[in-house]
Amino acid sequence: AQTVTQSQPEMSVQEAETVTLSCTYDTSENNYYLFWYKQPPSRQMILVIRQEAYKQQNATENRFSVNFQKAAKSFSLKISDSQLGDTAMYFCAFRGSTLGRLYFGRGTQLTVWP
Amino acid sequence: NAGVTQTPKFQVLKTGQSMTLQCAQDMNHEYMSWYRQDPGMGLRLIHYSVGAGITDQGEVPNGYNVSRSTTEDFPLRLLSAAPSQTSVYFCASSYGGRADLNYGYTFGSGTRLTVV
Repeated sequence: AQTVTQSQPEMSVQEAETVTLSCTYDTSENNYYLFWYKQPPSRQMILVIRQEAYKQQNATENRFSVNFQKAAKSFSLKISDSQLGDTAMYFCAFRGSTLGRLYFGRGTQLTVWP
Repeated sequence: NAGVTQTPKFQVLKTGQSMTLQCAQDMNHEYMSWYRQDPGMGLRLIHYSVGAGITDQGEVPNGYNVSRSTTEDFPLRLLSAAPSQTSVYFCASSYGGRADLNYGYTFGSGTRLTVV
């Protein structure tokens, strides 16, 4: 079975600073997809960034980027120039070959303060 | 607007009552799934479906039933509600295959269920 671990239940960062959220996973599969989802207080799940395991290049989406280390099974999220609107719960998720299944970590609550 | 529609948004049940959480999507997604979110536990998969007529169990299926008679709808049934089923429930859908990488999964806005 796949497992996803987020070891930081809570983090905080000052506005305009950079913060990194950690995620590790365990799998025996070679090709898979990894995602970061954001859940603000509205409860809506919003896709932040995605990465395919076959691609060596780290994904970036504006202020969000990942550090994907396949051998170490690590998939951290870096948020640059943090904004107050980044305050949310962030979930790391894994999708392997089992169709339709998405595995989530327990989440990291990020607070951005002025 | 296209997306995943969940109803109701809030529900209070008494122990032993039954109810159905509704989920509908209009994006012609193959895959649909139900998750429950509990504090400190992340989202855990209850049941999922890879197409009409095909369903399978996830991590926490006990106490829940699903069926998928159409591509659009994937209702979740609580047969006899228990306080342990107090949670926030999310329905999600996706195209499947490589499109999951490009588009991710689309989530409904959630149902907060309290069983007293």
